[in-house]
Amino acid sequence: AQSVAQPEDQVNVAEGNPLTVKCTYSVSGNPYLFWYVQYPNRGLQFLLKYITGDNLVKGSYGFEAEFNKSQTSFHLKKPSALVSDSALYFCATNGAAGNKLTFGGGTRVLVKP
Amino acid sequence: DTEVTQTPKHLVMGMTNKKSLKCEQHMGHRAMYWYKQKAKKPPELMFVYSYEKLSINESVPSRFSPECPNSSLLNLHLHALQPEDSALYLCASSRGGLETQYFGPGTRLLVL
Repeated sequence: AQSVAQPEDQVNVAEGNPLTVKCTYSVSGNPYLFWYVQYPNRGLQFLLKYITGDNLVKGSYGFEAEFNKSQTSFHLKKPSALVSDSALYFCATNGAAGNKLTFGGGTRVLVKP
Repeated sequence: DTEVTQTPKHLVMGMTNKKSLKCEQHMGHRAMYWYKQKAKKPPELMFVYSYEKLSINESVPSRFSPECPNSSLLNLHLHALQPEDSALYLCASSRGGLETQYFGPGTRLLVL
């Protein structure tokens, strides 16, 4: 069975500081990994995905994620956080299950001015 | 264009009502999905349609009835819902398989 875990329910960071949102995965075979962001009362917006190749994936809005196979992690990063980055972030994988996305529990990010 | 649209944005219904949620995409995607999301929780998969055929039903109660009239449209028919069915209902689409799923803004449903 495939799973992803987000160990932090909430991350607080000051505006302008680096932002990291953690995700670990458990997937048989080669994982497809995704990050989505959800603003209040909105749907999920796709940020980036890892399929294969370069371990550093660049996505939308200045976000990037680093795939680490030995640590089974896929942490989301942004060098300089903005107040507008405050939202709920989900890591997800569809592993070998194709159409079936499995989400982590979500991490709320609060960026303070 | 990665837009998935959903109507209505909000819906309030009684437990004896019949209503429908609608989802539309014009990206040529062949897979469409319904998810249910409770507050501050991750989305939970309900149904998957692939090439207009139901391919996954995650043991969803029969009071939820999906329909895929064509490759661009996905409906979710609601009947005799319970208050615990109140949630944000999200539609998504993708090219299928392991491809990225793109989500609509959701319909916020309140069952009284």
